Amino acid sequence: NAGVTQTPKFRVLKTGQSMTLLCAQDMNHEYMYWYRQDPGMGLRLIHYSVGEGTTAKGEVPDGYNVSRLKKQNFLLGLESAAPSQTSVYFCASSYSTLLGPYGYTFGSGTRLTVV
Amino acid sequence: DQQVKQNSPSLSVQEGRISILNCDYTNSMFDYFLWYKKYPAEGPTFLISISSIKDKNEDGRFTVFLNKSAKHLSLHIVPSQPGDSAVYFCALGSGATNKLIFGTGTLLAVQP
Repeated sequence: NAGVTQTPKFRVLKTGQSMTLLCAQDMNHEYMYWYRQDPGMGLRLIHYSVGEGTTAKGEVPDGYNVSRLKKQNFLLGLESAAPSQTSVYFCASSYSTLLGPYGYTFGSGTRLTVV
Repeated sequence: DQQVKQNSPSLSVQEGRISILNCDYTNSMFDYFLWYKKYPAEGPTFLISISSIKDKNEDGRFTVFLNKSAKHLSLHIVPSQPGDSAVYFCALGSGATNKLIFGTGTLLAVQP
């Protein structure tokens, strides 16, 4: 069972370039999330989805777009990358029932550097 | 405004002793309180959780304590092992939104 798979694992972008991060889960989870992790900041929610075809903004959505065309996939797009978007990005998924006691299942992360 | 704070960025403990990691929060709306463990170059993995109706939950060497009046959450690891060395995040959530808010993390180093 793969769980949550993120591609790519590493990427270097030039300022102004665009890219899409892909997240795929095989657990039939309803909810999916994109977080970014920065030193001293913990994990901050960028966007999330409560089901196929739906998306919503999280804590730090500016500069990002998302799409959930299929239940198992959640895409995070950067239209015009900026150095401030240098970070480690984590995708996660969960059931639609109450959070506890299992919480989210996370992918292994994508390390993005914008130069 | 940081709703969830882990005031100790790092903690060093001797193998076999107790590790205590702390987490403070400001909002009373949270229903679920979780701890995640993260190794370098890996995603966070779920460790243990507690709901707002309890004040203690134990799973093997790991115990989570919740003090709602003080808005304080803690994780105790006894006995600590070198393999416990990792970053620990507390995460708080509401069943109404199904979203988790994470703390800033504490790097635990267990010395052999």
